[in-house]
Amino acid sequence: EVQLLESGGDLVRPGGSLRLSCAASGFTFDTYAMSWVRQAPGKGLEWVSSISISGDNTYYAGSVKGRFTISRDISKNTLYLQMDSLRAEDTAIYFCAKARGYYYFDYWGQGTLVIVSS
Amino acid sequence: DIQMTQSPSSVSASVGDRVTISCRASQRISSLLAWYQQKPGKAPKLLIYTASGLQSGVPSRFSGSGSGTDFTLTISTLQPEDFANYYCQQANNFPLTFGGGTKVEIK
Repeated sequence: EVQLLESGGDLVRPGGSLRLSCAASGFTFDTYAMSWVRQAPGKGLEWVSSISISGDNTYYAGSVKGRFTISRDISKNTLYLQMDSLRAEDTAIYFCAKARGYYYFDYWGQGTLVIVSS
Repeated sequence: DIQMTQSPSSVSASVGDRVTISCRASQRISSLLAWYQQKPGKAPKLLIYTASGLQSGVPSRFSGSGSGTDFTLTISTLQPEDFANYYCQQANNFPLTFGGGTKVEIK
């Protein structure tokens, strides 16, 4: 059974940093691209970042480019999102998602809440 | 960036109704479109990929169609468990983008 378990969400002050983790199990982690998608309270879905199977290619939404870094540790079956220079508008539930073929998301974690507030 | 526009933003329907949701891309995306269902407090669930492919385990009352810029999600016979939010997503280009969502409500 595919499982994605996010962690690391917290309350952080504007300008602060946070690292999210997503522990993957139930599938061969190093043969699928992975992504982060977020959802602000009461709002729709927003794609944040993706990383290719090899990890050589990373992609970011314009709103987070230069501030967020996606990475993966194959040995730990874990996906990360390093978030720096956080802003109030980054407040959201952050979902980890497994890509199916093209960048469609066939499995999602339960999400981890990030609140950026002073 | 490719803009995805869904319509309507909400629809009121009864159990047994046929419901159609539209999604329009601001530029051609071939068939690289997915549809998701999301219930309150839950993660989204993939329903349709590549515009018309039914994800494993998804009931056959869900179907997708379209290519290029115009796409449709159809629920043929609405069931009580189908009341939820629905999102389209294009996978043709980065940045990946979602539609604004359609809320299917009980009439």
